[in-house]
Amino acid sequence: EPEVTQTPSHQVTQMGQEVILRCVPISNHLYFYWYRQILGQKVEFLVSFYNNEISEKSEIFDDQFSVERPDGSNFTLKIRSTKLEDSAMYFCASNLQGTPGTGELFFGEGSRLTVL
Amino acid sequence: GESVGLHLPTLSVQEGDNSIINCAYSNSASDYFIWYKQESGKGPQFIIDIRSNMDKRQGQRVTVLLNKTVKHLSLQIAATQPGDSAVYFCAESRSNDYKLSFGAGTTVTVRA
Repeated sequence: EPEVTQTPSHQVTQMGQEVILRCVPISNHLYFYWYRQILGQKVEFLVSFYNNEISEKSEIFDDQFSVERPDGSNFTLKIRSTKLEDSAMYFCASNLQGTPGTGELFFGEGSRLTVL
Repeated sequence: GESVGLHLPTLSVQEGDNSIINCAYSNSASDYFIWYKQESGKGPQFIIDIRSNMDKRQGQRVTVLLNKTVKHLSLQIAATQPGDSAVYFCAESRSNDYKLSFGAGTTVTVRA
């Protein structure tokens, strides 16, 4: 069964450092997403991406965050200068057709970011 | 503001019994609802969805009920099994929105 893969599974970084989280969405999917989950809390939407553009973003997704699809398979989330409160599990997701109501959203297993 | 939440953070159920997990949402504009299961260390996994033009939908061992009048969503799991132990999230979306808004989650523990 096709799946969304994420690397690294866990990253520890110092406050102020840049972090890049990587995702390989399902190959024929066209819409890509990042969500995050602070430990013990609910999953929160960060950003959606389609056709090399951000289609929607949340208030969490400030200027410290950026996303990119550098090639035909990878989708990355960059945090320029990490803060302690960025510590969370970051989930990449993808779907084929767009808005959640148009098709199942598939999530990766997540990348745990720990900022010290 | 909009929010999606669950009534109870934990639910303990005897193996073989039926489970009912509840969720309340506040955004009356939401028209698509999903239940996700999250096992420890994994990402959310789709269980079942329902659109606002329906009030009930059944899957394999699961049923989702939607009551738009009181903005309530529930997930029923029949004959709960140990593999059903997980955190369950409801999520909602609106047409033309890309984001899903998740509730806080209910941890289901199945007792043998």
